[in-house]
Amino acid sequence: DAGITQSPRHKVTETGTPVTLRCHQTENHRYMYWYRQDPGHGLRLIHYSYGVKDTDKGEVSDGYSVSRSKTEDFLLTLESATSSQTSVYFCAIGSTTGASGANVLTFGAGSRLTVL
Amino acid sequence: KQEVTQIPAALSVPEGENLVLNCSFTDSAIYNLQWFRQDPGKGLTSLLLIQSSQREQTSGRLNASLDKSSGRSTLYIAASQPGDSATYLCAVSPTSGTYKYIFGTGTRLKVLA
Repeated sequence: DAGITQSPRHKVTETGTPVTLRCHQTENHRYMYWYRQDPGHGLRLIHYSYGVKDTDKGEVSDGYSVSRSKTEDFLLTLESATSSQTSVYFCAIGSTTGASGANVLTFGAGSRLTVL
Repeated sequence: KQEVTQIPAALSVPEGENLVLNCSFTDSAIYNLQWFRQDPGKGLTSLLLIQSSQREQTSGRLNASLDKSSGRSTLYIAASQPGDSATYLCAVSPTSGTYKYIFGTGTRLKVLA
């Protein structure tokens, strides 16, 4: 997956417990993203990062926090998991290409989270 | 707010047929558009990127076009094969430069042998 590793790949947890998903890249890219994918909703952006310690919210950020203390790692935390957060979570990196610096997204394999 | 729509949601065609997948977006002020393929239970694979200054991109049997003024992109697949069966998603990024891609819900394609 182009130097992107997500962990864990599968997790089952109970409502109210904290959960942290990790995204690790080996390509030193500036931009990293967390999306969730749900039937009928497609992919929705949770948070993204444009550098170490630089993060911003996406369209569905409530209930999630992120941290990026080094370039290669982007962590997504659910402080107190709820059943509505059952989903498949995808990490992506953005690499620039072309003279215009267009940002190409490359995705990890996904992390399937089930909150009971 | 930018909205991205892909119609139809599902499509079934016989092998060998040429087909077109559609992607519509409500705000024409986009920076670029990317097409992805997703196989069941897998992540997304980038197929084509069309930058704002371009009108089309080609890769093998795939050709994607972009008409920003009408808010449309099409993905043309020539001589479809059963291996093309997957979900195809388009995503647009705004001109704001934050690279926050917004995705459509995808078209699920099945190519019958």
